[in-house]
Amino acid sequence: AQKVTQAQTEISVVEKEDVTLDCVYETRDTTYYLFWYKQPPSGELVFLIRRNSFDEQNEISGRYSWNFQKSTSSFNLTITASQVVDSAVYFCALSEGDSGGSNYKLTFGKGTLLTVNP
Amino acid sequence: DTEVTQTPKHLVMGMTNKKSLKCEQHMGHRAMYWYKQKAKKPPELMFVYSYEKLSINESVPSRFSPECPNSSLLNLHLHALQPEDSALYLCASSAITGNEQFFGPGTRLTVL
Repeated sequence: AQKVTQAQTEISVVEKEDVTLDCVYETRDTTYYLFWYKQPPSGELVFLIRRNSFDEQNEISGRYSWNFQKSTSSFNLTITASQVVDSAVYFCALSEGDSGGSNYKLTFGKGTLLTVNP
Repeated sequence: DTEVTQTPKHLVMGMTNKKSLKCEQHMGHRAMYWYKQKAKKPPELMFVYSYEKLSINESVPSRFSPECPNSSLLNLHLHALQPEDSALYLCASSAITGNEQFFGPGTRLTVL
């Protein structure tokens, strides 16, 4: 069974600080996908990044960067120079490999509420 | 255009009512999903449609009935709901199952 743990329930920072959101996953599959989503107070889930299990290269997109380490089963998100608009719930999610094309499930962590104060 | 639309945005219904939630995407995606999200919780998967066929039903009560009329539309028919069914209902789509899912803004449902 797959599982995603986001140990940080809430994080509060001051604007311009860097902040790292942790994500640890468990899966028995060798092929899997990891995702990060952002959910602002408006409620819509916004896709941030997708990584497959064979690609451990870290990535940077604007102020977001991701650190994927299979050795520790972690997929952490860092926001550089945080802004008030970054305030949201951030979800890490995992899906197991596509074994047939139809039996696909996305397992979410419980989410981390990030509050960026001015 | 990476947009998934959902209507209505808000819905209040009694336990004896019949209502429907609608979801539409024009990205050519072949997988569509319904999720239920309670306050301060992650989304919970309800149904998955792959190529317009129901592929996953997460043991959802029969008072929720999904329908996929075509590759762009997904409906969720509601009947005889309970107050505990009040939640944010999110629709999502992906190119195929396994790819990143794009979510709609959701329908906030209140059952009185």
